[in-house]
Amino acid sequence: DAKTTQPPSMDCAEGRAANLPCNHSTISGNEYVYWYRQIHSQGPQYIIHGLKNNETNEMASLIITEDRKSSTLILPHATLRDTAVYYCIVRVADSNYQLIWGAGTKLIIKP
Amino acid sequence: NAGVMQNPRHLVRRRGQEARLRCSPMKGHSHVYWYRQLPEEGLKFMVYLQKENIIDESGMPKERFSAEFPKEGPSILRIQQVVRGDSAAYFCASSPYGSQSYEQYFGPGTRLTVT
Repeated sequence: DAKTTQPPSMDCAEGRAANLPCNHSTISGNEYVYWYRQIHSQGPQYIIHGLKNNETNEMASLIITEDRKSSTLILPHATLRDTAVYYCIVRVADSNYQLIWGAGTKLIIKP
Repeated sequence: NAGVMQNPRHLVRRRGQEARLRCSPMKGHSHVYWYRQLPEEGLKFMVYLQKENIIDESGMPKERFSAEFPKEGPSILRIQQVVRGDSAAYFCASSPYGSQSYEQYFGPGTRLTVT
């Protein structure tokens, strides 16, 4: 069973920030939070990951709460090409493949 | 630098036939992972391989499914005597450093339809 909880769908206006929440209340101290996305009919694409601190890269920012029980993925200026299913995943530190994938959030960017 | 390649992209098999799915990892990557995805669901891990070795096959069904990653050539996921329940998208991913790699690179997937 998935160890994360995400809303099944969200809408966001093009050009605005998209904020995707994820609950992982049972996360362990050595588990990272990962985000992947899957554009329709394509393979998943890595976005970002973090352990405790907030992280930012060229694609997105990841905000992790102090108690690590939830996080938010932020796409700062959403475009139509960001329409995809976004997966929040927790993984143990020494394994990149024992990922438990939930159903994700279907993000629809509207013009 | 070519990404992960999978072929065929679409495969149709009748019940009882064999399905062979191929995956060529990114150049320089020696770790390959196979996942299965049913419609409207997330990915489920099947098997993790290095060249000539199966590292973890805990997600593979005990019967009819097998995987290999030979010294030369692509990784192969083989499904014998396919049934309708095998219809799914099968994704391959690769990484350069194995389980400590923080990122996996996924291929476009093979969509298997069993009629």
